[in-house]
Amino acid sequence: EIVMTQSPATLSLSPGERATLSCRASQSVSSSYLSWYQQKPGQAPRLLIYGASTRATGIPARFSGSGSGTDFTLTISSLQPEDFAVYYCQQDYTFGQGTKLEIK
Amino acid sequence: QVQLVQSGAEVKKPGASVKVSCKASGYTFTSYYMHWVRQAPGQGLEWMGIINPSGGSTSYAQKFQGRVTMTRDTSTSTVYMELSSLRSEDTAVYYCARGARYCTNGVCYRAFDYWGQGTLVTVSS
Repeated sequence: EIVMTQSPATLSLSPGERATLSCRASQSVSSSYLSWYQQKPGQAPRLLIYGASTRATGIPARFSGSGSGTDFTLTISSLQPEDFAVYYCQQDYTFGQGTKLEIK
Repeated sequence: QVQLVQSGAEVKKPGASVKVSCKASGYTFTSYYMHWVRQAPGQGLEWMGIINPSGGSTSYAQKFQGRVTMTRDTSTSTVYMELSSLRSEDTAVYYCARGARYCTNGVCYRAFDYWGQGTLVTVSS
């Protein structure tokens, strides 16, 4: 069973800063099935990135994904106020535990 | 536009069953698999299972085997998730999510591209 581990659990940053969120798989996985989601309080998750690096429809260019094998990264180049949320990585049907991005 | 609209909140007693619906619109219902994902209060996302609306075949997470049943009604473009023998730990928001499959240049990708609004199921005596 593959386990997805996200770090850090909480990330405190200010608007305008760059955010780097990590997701590590317990064994090598296919990047084709690696996705990132954003979830705001009281809302359903929203697909941001699929295939490790492809932005979903309507997702701003400040969001980017990278990685392969066991290590994957979601980068937000310049944080906007609406970006503060919880972010989940997903490998096929397995989710990471999430990273909460909070305002510093 | 694609929409997944779920049924309303439920309150159930321990040992009871709950059936949550998810009505799809804006796309060809039988062309996309549907997943069910749940989220306990303050916790992360947990995949429960998948149904193929075309033939009705299903696959469930081992944790829920024997307690969950996913069905569909193609005449109304609706999928259902029934969870039985409820216990307090089943208190959660239950989401349906469309399973998208994108193929380009010989490589296929999978992701959950649209989600329902969620249904809160509370299990309490």
